[in-house]
Amino acid sequence: RKEVEQDPGPFNVPEGATVAFNCTYSNSASQSFFWYRQDCRKEPKLLMSVYSSGNEDGRFTAQLNRASQYISLLIRDSKLSDSATYLCSMDTGRRALTFGSGTRLQVQP
Amino acid sequence: DTAVSQTPKYLVTQMGNDKSIKCEQNLGHDTMYWYKQDSKKFLKIMFSYNNKELIINETVPNRFSPKSPDKAHLNLHINSLELGDSAVYFCASSQGGTADYNEQFFGPGTRLTVL
Repeated sequence: RKEVEQDPGPFNVPEGATVAFNCTYSNSASQSFFWYRQDCRKEPKLLMSVYSSGNEDGRFTAQLNRASQYISLLIRDSKLSDSATYLCSMDTGRRALTFGSGTRLQVQP
Repeated sequence: DTAVSQTPKYLVTQMGNDKSIKCEQNLGHDTMYWYKQDSKKFLKIMFSYNNKELIINETVPNRFSPKSPDKAHLNLHINSLELGDSAVYFCASSQGGTADYNEQFFGPGTRLTVL
């Protein structure tokens, strides 16, 4: 089993739709979790950290389920500008992050 | 006021050559990293340094040698380049310390093409 698994997509959704991505992980010792966004030919940029209690930032909601070892990202009211690849990541316990291969989102007009 | 910068942005070179990539961060972070992103978009850790000290050295060929002259700089030197080294190399930094401070900030990447 891979350390971090994500559905590669692409997820093709119309503007205004709600879309959710999941990411499963195998290292139960991971303490911190993040969602990064990567645009084509650009660097990953931190979208949000994921806390045990769940957190929300505008249209974005992130949740962590330690028992089932997955994190999720929910995007409400999708915008064209949300089109990107979303990478989940978590710490390895050695001050580095392990990344999933990303889920590609394409929001269509 | 770029936070994490890398040079060069693009690097095209012949097999067998030696090349270096430079990275600098002005965030005052203690920890710096090199990641490799291959054609399948997998982002994998190569090295990390904390206050100029090597912390992580993943299973990377000896041809890759990182150097950290101070905590704001982490350079990557690659000897005897091979076709399989073609990828995008990202430098990143984080404050380090506890897990809460592990948010990482990435440079713009160096797209290396080995011919």
